[in-house]
Amino acid sequence: DSGVTQTPKHLITATGQRVTLRCSPRSGDLSVYWYQQSLDQGLQFLIQYYNGEERAKGNILERFSAQQFPDLHSELNLSSLELGDSALYFCASSVEGQGAYYGYTFGSGTRLTVV
Amino acid sequence: GESVGLHLPTLSVQEGDNSIINCAYSNSASDYFIWYKQESGKGPQFIIDIRSNMDKRQGQRVTVLLNKTVKHLSLQIAATQPGDSAVYFCAEETGGGADGLTFGKGTHLIIQP
Repeated sequence: DSGVTQTPKHLITATGQRVTLRCSPRSGDLSVYWYQQSLDQGLQFLIQYYNGEERAKGNILERFSAQQFPDLHSELNLSSLELGDSALYFCASSVEGQGAYYGYTFGSGTRLTVV
Repeated sequence: GESVGLHLPTLSVQEGDNSIINCAYSNSASDYFIWYKQESGKGPQFIIDIRSNMDKRQGQRVTVLLNKTVKHLSLQIAATQPGDSAVYFCAEETGGGADGLTFGKGTHLIIQP
């Protein structure tokens, strides 16, 4: 167990729908990163939050949004879902907000299937 | 940013042999590199890292080599064991992670008995 908790583990939904993925970082970690892993694009950085504030943005679609709450858990919201959004979504956490050098721990991911 | 690539999608080795997994990166501004191991149903797991001011770093049974001249990174696993079967990714970071990590496509390491 990495200490980073992601729920749900699996999610199946229809095109056009909206889903919310949840991530609880390791105890003491202030930063949360979201990544998408698909067969064609590999692992891609989506967005980072540090202590409730957006810190960095990667290849995140406008249909996707995220936030980090005062208790430091984060949610990734995916809307108007398309078949191509089917992927594994990982969250990682770290103590610092300055990248992976200070320790980056990944959760086990949420597998999203859009049908 | 530019992507980090891997040369081989699958590498098959005999148990007990040494494994070498290669990675080519194209962003010369990257200053931090990590190798991750991903087993089925799990997230990427840190194996070893190296900063750009180093050319070699050793861990337990693993060694990472960095050749900045040709922008090449390799992971060497000594005495490969069945538990080493996984997909291995290299990742690069630029400027303190402002753009997150950039991952390569991954190499699936298969251990033959």
